[in-house]
Amino acid sequence: QVQMVQSGAEVKKPGASVKVSCKAFGYTFTTFGVGWVRQAPGQGLDWMGWINPYNGDTNYVQKFQGRVAITTDTSTSTAYMELRNLRSDDTAVYFCVRDYYGPWGQGTLVTVSS
Amino acid sequence: DIQMTQSPSSLSASVGDRVTITCQASQDISTYLNWYQKKPGKAPKLLIYDASNLDTGVPSRFSGSGSGTHFIFTISSLEPEDVATYYCQHFLNLPRGFGPGTKVDIK
Repeated sequence: QVQMVQSGAEVKKPGASVKVSCKAFGYTFTTFGVGWVRQAPGQGLDWMGWINPYNGDTNYVQKFQGRVAITTDTSTSTAYMELRNLRSDDTAVYFCVRDYYGPWGQGTLVTVSS
Repeated sequence: DIQMTQSPSSLSASVGDRVTITCQASQDISTYLNWYQKKPGKAPKLLIYDASNLDTGVPSRFSGSGSGTHFIFTISSLEPEDVATYYCQHFLNLPRGFGPGTKVDIK
């Protein structure tokens, strides 16, 4: 069945980078965009950005511009979200989601702490 | 960017009550709107897609309506397992923004 499976939890120090992966199963990877969403503790869902795996086009929310990079490897049907120059307020659960109706990945907890 | 608002931000209701949440878009989004249920430690669950269509396996007590800029999400008879935060999200264009969420609990 269609599913998105994400990489495991990460602990990073401030100023470091994190790269979260999201592997797609059960559909042709290049036919749907992939979005990335995060939820910080006690906060709502925050759309970060999106990629079209067919041609690599990306769209990032202004808030994350310059710090985030979303890429894909079509040979392995995997999307990646890299967030650089991490701060403590980047501590959150990060989700990938297939465009329009899902499914969602299970979420990856990224903890930023010195 | 399209801004999404929701009201109320939280509500407390009794089991069996009818619960209504509204979602407003800052511009016409036709019916390009989804409703999600979010529980702690879980991924968001799609309940309603295209504003009014019930996703597969979702109980019929959940429903959605609306088009353009004004949308309504209803739980016809609240159950204990419905305690969660509910979000609307548009997908007319990028970025696909979310409403701020409505936290529902049992009185």
